[in-house]
Parts: sequence; C-alpha cells; structure tokens
Amino acid sequence: NAGVIQTPRHKVTGKGQEATLWCEPISGHSAVFWYRQTIVQGLEFLTYFRNQAPIDDSGMPKERFSAQMPNQSHSTLKIQSTQPQDSAVYLCASSLDLQGDTQYFGPGTRLLVL
Amino acid sequence: GDQVEQSPSALSLHEGTGSALRCNFTTTMRAVQWFRKNSRGSLINLFYLASGTKENGRLKSAFDSKERYSTLHIRDAQLEDSGTYFCAAERASSGQKLVFGQGTILKVYL
Repeated sequence: NAGVIQTPRHKVTGKGQEATLWCEPISGHSAVFWYRQTIVQGLEFLTYFRNQAPIDDSGMPKERFSAQMPNQSHSTLKIQSTQPQDSAVYLCASSLDLQGDTQYFGPGTRLLVL
Repeated sequence: GDQVEQSPSALSLHEGTGSALRCNFTTTMRAVQWFRKNSRGSLINLFYLASGTKENGRLKSAFDSKERYSTLHIRDAQLEDSGTYFCAAERASSGQKLVFGQGTILKVYL
C-alpha cells in the first residue's frame, strides 16, 4: 500500500499560468478530499468526492479553481490563471468508509506562484 | 468564526516528561482526528475517535462531543516526538470534511 500519491511534489509557475495537481487515492477508498495549507490560514478544506461524485465544494474559491474525479483512481485540482496568493501546500486525502472514517493524507504538492 | 481552538500553540518538554494538548470546539463535532506532521511534512495519523478514549503506546486521546473538546496526552516524551501536532474534527452537520486546529509545535529536549 503506497498510501495517497500526489504529483508533482513541487511546482513553480508564473503568474497567470495554469496549474494541475494530481492525486491518486488509496485503492478501494471511496472518498477523496482536497485541502490547502498556508502560513496565514493554516489547513483548510477545499472540496471532496464520494464514489467520484462531487459532494461538497464549499471551500473552493469560486473563480479559477476546479476539481474533477474522472475515475476511482485519480482526482485533479486545476487552478487557472494562478496568482501569488494561490501559493500553498495542496493536500489530498482519502478515506474508506462512507459513514466517516480516518482520512489518510498524501505528502502534498507545494505550489509556488511567482 | 473559528470552530477548532487548539492549545497550546507551542510546548517544550524535557525528555521523559509528559503533557496534554487540547482542542476545544465551538460547535458539535461528531469525530476527531489527531495528526503529527513528520520531518518530510506529511501528516501522520495518530488517532480517529468518534467518542471515548484510545491509547497507543505513549499516546492517549479522548473525545467528548457533548462537552466539545478533545485531548492528546503524551507521556514519557522522547526526542522523536518533536514535531507539529494537529487536531481536526468533523462537524456533525457538515459531512466528512475536516476542520483543523492551528497546530501545536512540540519540542522535546534532553
């Protein structure tokens, strides 16, 4: 069990460019979550999927951010027209139980927007 | 407003001693998780509790949904326990998304 896999581990992008972050959940896990960590805001929820269906995107910025889960083995978080304030560590997590269970976190993608 | 208030923000422990971290919740939570961030920045699971207490080695955690708090006790602290600890809770009315505390930076010294 490799755990939750996130790629790339580090990404540097210029202001205005697009960034796509990838997450592979633990095999068999039905729920996938995205979080963001910054010095100022700490760890904050972005969005989550259950059985590939979007359930709650209340933490997603309304513009420029989107997330998909096209199949059970990966999810993507896409940021269009990146801004310096998007710089953060983006964390993906997955869990097994539909009714609530331990969330297992990946190592994160550190995004730096110059 | 802030839903998870974690304290202390920083803690220094002499090796072999112990202490407790605490998270107070401003609303009803149905479950809590405790994590330690390792040297590579990954969040390592310590506990998941929907109620009561759990113990694992030198760590023990408790969660009281009604009283709106959770604790993490560390005993016989070792140098390798140093790191940042986070609590995170699931609101009773908001599905499985986690709301995190601000973290406790623990330093264990000789």
